[in-house]
Amino acid sequence: SYELTQPPSVSVSPGQTASITCSGDKLVNRFASWYQQKPGQSPVLVMYQDSERPSGIPERFSGSSSGFTATLTISGTQTVDEADYYCLAWDSSTYIFGTGTKVTVL
Amino acid sequence: EVQLVESGGNLVQPGGSLRLSCAASGFTFSSYWMTWVRQAPGRGLEWVANIKLDGSDKYYLDAVRGRFTISRDNAKNSLYLQMNSLRVEDTAVYYCARETHSSTRLDFWGQGTHVTVSS
Repeated sequence: SYELTQPPSVSVSPGQTASITCSGDKLVNRFASWYQQKPGQSPVLVMYQDSERPSGIPERFSGSSSGFTATLTISGTQTVDEADYYCLAWDSSTYIFGTGTKVTVL
Repeated sequence: EVQLVESGGNLVQPGGSLRLSCAASGFTFSSYWMTWVRQAPGRGLEWVANIKLDGSDKYYLDAVRGRFTISRDNAKNSLYLQMNSLRVEDTAVYYCARETHSSTRLDFWGQGTHVTVSS
């Protein structure tokens, strides 16, 4: 079955840059969106159409995509950014979530 | 303010049925696709099904096709998920989400409702 692969975990020091990748052969010519989920909370959209930031999402979040890989970047990472992050893409008749990445800020 | 409120989650035996509801407010419900997403305990997000603005198109995760039915009532601003022949592996928190299909994004989510399938 089709998968979107993310690194299980990313660790970053406060103020540094965290990059989370999402890879899959069907990401070519398809938009990815990204979701942040903190423990016990519902997911929140933080990026769509690869690099569009919804209103209310801090400018330190940015996105890009090239070929088979979409990337979510958090610049100047803050402790409040510690969460699980998931990518999402539509493949003709189904949505596929990435495997998820736990971002730890320490 | 956009609000999505799920209800209907419960403990049910394997083979049983449940109907989840999602009450929407704060936006023109009939102008948006809607989606159900689930999350099993300690696991990642899994898309379950979505439905077009007028209900004319519906798509399902392979694992639920034939057992689950997504529907909507635009007059009542409500989304539903009828779940039949439930399995232990359907145990999860079920979220409804507003979908902007053209940009493939789920921009607002409900708080979720818990479904536990166990004997």
